[in-house]
Amino acid sequence: EPEVTQTPSHQVTQMGQEVILRCVPISNHLYFYWYRQILGQKVEFLVSFYNNEISEKSEIFDDQFSVERPDGSNFTLKIRSTKLEDSAMYFCASNQRGGGTGELFFGEGSRLTVL
Amino acid sequence: GESVGLHLPTLSVQEGDNSIINCAYSNSASDYFIWYKQESGKGPQFIIDIRSNMDKRQGQRVTVLLNKTVKHLSLQIAATQPGDSAVYFCAENRPGNTPLVFGKGTRLSVIA
Repeated sequence: EPEVTQTPSHQVTQMGQEVILRCVPISNHLYFYWYRQILGQKVEFLVSFYNNEISEKSEIFDDQFSVERPDGSNFTLKIRSTKLEDSAMYFCASNQRGGGTGELFFGEGSRLTVL
Repeated sequence: GESVGLHLPTLSVQEGDNSIINCAYSNSASDYFIWYKQESGKGPQFIIDIRSNMDKRQGQRVTVLLNKTVKHLSLQIAATQPGDSAVYFCAENRPGNTPLVFGKGTRLSVIA
């Protein structure tokens, strides 16, 4: 069964450092997302991406965040200068037809710990 | 502000019993709802969805009920098994190509 894969599974970084989280969405999907989940809290939307551009972003997704699809398979989330409060699980997700039109497939997540 | 939320943060049930997990939503314009299951250390996994033109949908051992009058969504799990232990999130989709909005989650613990 096709799946969304994410790397790394866990990254520990110092405050102020740059972090890149990587995702390989399901191959025939067109819409890509990043969500964040702080420990014990709900899953929060960060950004959606379609046709090589951001289609929507939340208040959390400030200037420290950026996304990129550098090639035909990878979808990355970059945090330019990490803060303590960026510590969370980051989930990549994808689907074929965008919001409201079907199942959103999630990866296993990348745990980011900022010290 | 408008949000998706849950009545109970934790739920403990005996193995074999039926489970009911509830969710309240406040945006009457939401037209698509999904229940996700999240096991420890894993990403959310789709369970079942329902559109606003329906009030009930059944899957394998799971049923979702939608009451638009009171903006209430529930997930019923029949014959709950230890493998059902997880956190369950409801999520709503507002009209247009908008992202899913998740509720806070309910932890289901199955007692063997």
